[in-house]
Amino acid sequence: DGGITQSPKYLFRKEGQNVTLSCEQNLNHDAMYWYRQDPGQGLRLIYYSQIVNDFQKGDIAEGYSVSREKKESFPLTVTSAQKNPTAFYLCASSIAGLLEQFFGPGTRLTVL
Amino acid sequence: SQQGEEDPQALSIQEGENATMNCSYKTSINNLQWYRQNSGRGLVHLILIRSNEREKHSGRLRVTLDTSKKSSSLLITASRAADTASYFCATDETSGSRLTFGEGTQLTVNP
Repeated sequence: DGGITQSPKYLFRKEGQNVTLSCEQNLNHDAMYWYRQDPGQGLRLIYYSQIVNDFQKGDIAEGYSVSREKKESFPLTVTSAQKNPTAFYLCASSIAGLLEQFFGPGTRLTVL
Repeated sequence: SQQGEEDPQALSIQEGENATMNCSYKTSINNLQWYRQNSGRGLVHLILIRSNEREKHSGRLRVTLDTSKKSSSLLITASRAADTASYFCATDETSGSRLTFGEGTQLTVNP
């Protein structure tokens, strides 16, 4: 089955720790995205990548880092510099930047 | 930055009624998309309308776009309890390369 997967589904982190969220797609999409969603709110763009080995900051990139070494994978690291990391994180991919985006099931990160 | 703003923030209706949600945006766009999100899940693409289109249909969904007013509406006809979800509009600026999502409308359809 083609699709986009995220792992883990739930993640707990102690303050001061870095954590990495996984995002993998087998749709052969060039573009991939990371969004953050806080309760009752919309999506805010963290980082996006339109091609392998290239990525751009979104609206709230501070405290986050990404890599795009393979077309299929776009991991997101939440660093200790992110002051309020507890949120729902969504990864998406698309054929091109402005067309339909396919979303993964999300990772809920909680900082203890 | 939030390009799209949905109205209302929350909507509660009875099964069988129609639901209308509105989206306003600020800058010129190439296209506008609507997505649905069930609680705790990822978003699912519903429909895309291009800037040169005024209306589009998909099953029980009808989307309109008024570029002069920078607004769009999503109509769900004959709603069902399973339509309960949050609905988001997303826009792309003509000079941009990414989508910007609105805050969403939480729709509750009561059986």
